[in-house]
Amino acid sequence: EPEVTQTPSHQVTQMGQEVILRCVPISNHLYFYWYRQILGQKVEFLVSFYNNEISEKSEIFDDQFSVERPDGSNFTLKIRSTKLEDSAMYFCASNLDRVTEAFFGQGTRLTVV
Amino acid sequence: ELKVEQNPLFLSMQEGKNYTIYCNYSTTSDRLYWYRQDPGKSLESLFVLLSNGAVKQEGRLMASLDTKARLSTLHITAAVHDLSATYFCAVKGGGGSEKLVFGKGTKLTVNP
Repeated sequence: EPEVTQTPSHQVTQMGQEVILRCVPISNHLYFYWYRQILGQKVEFLVSFYNNEISEKSEIFDDQFSVERPDGSNFTLKIRSTKLEDSAMYFCASNLDRVTEAFFGQGTRLTVV
Repeated sequence: ELKVEQNPLFLSMQEGKNYTIYCNYSTTSDRLYWYRQDPGKSLESLFVLLSNGAVKQEGRLMASLDTKARLSTLHITAAVHDLSATYFCAVKGGGGSEKLVFGKGTKLTVNP
């Protein structure tokens, strides 16, 4: 069964460092997303990406964040200068169209120390 | 701004009992999703509800949607331990937005 794959599963980084979280969405999907979940809290939307551009972003997604789809398969989230409050589980998701459910990857746990 | 409220947030129940989780949302949307999350794991899609009156069932779980009341329910029948998890409802933002707005989740514990 096709699935969304994320790497790494866990990343520890020092405050102020740049991190790149990687995702391989399901191959025929067209819509891509990043969400995050701070421990014990709800899942929050960060950004959506369609047709090679950002289609929507939340207020969390400030200038420190960027996304790229550098080739036909990968979808990355970059945090330029990490802060302690960026520590969270980051989920990549994709879906085929505007109606069907989004499929989520297994997440990358980011710990900023 | 779309808000999604779930209740209860915590639910401890005995095996074999029935219970309902409620999901209210604040603005018009006709797409509602239920997800399950096990501790430290990803979000697994359970149900997609696309229209008023939609009802879907899978095993001991049944979900329904009332778009007029802006309410979805997730009903658990004869709970078993394997259903212990956190359940999230999520609503598509209106006005062409593709983002999902999640409720805070209901942590369900089924005791033997």
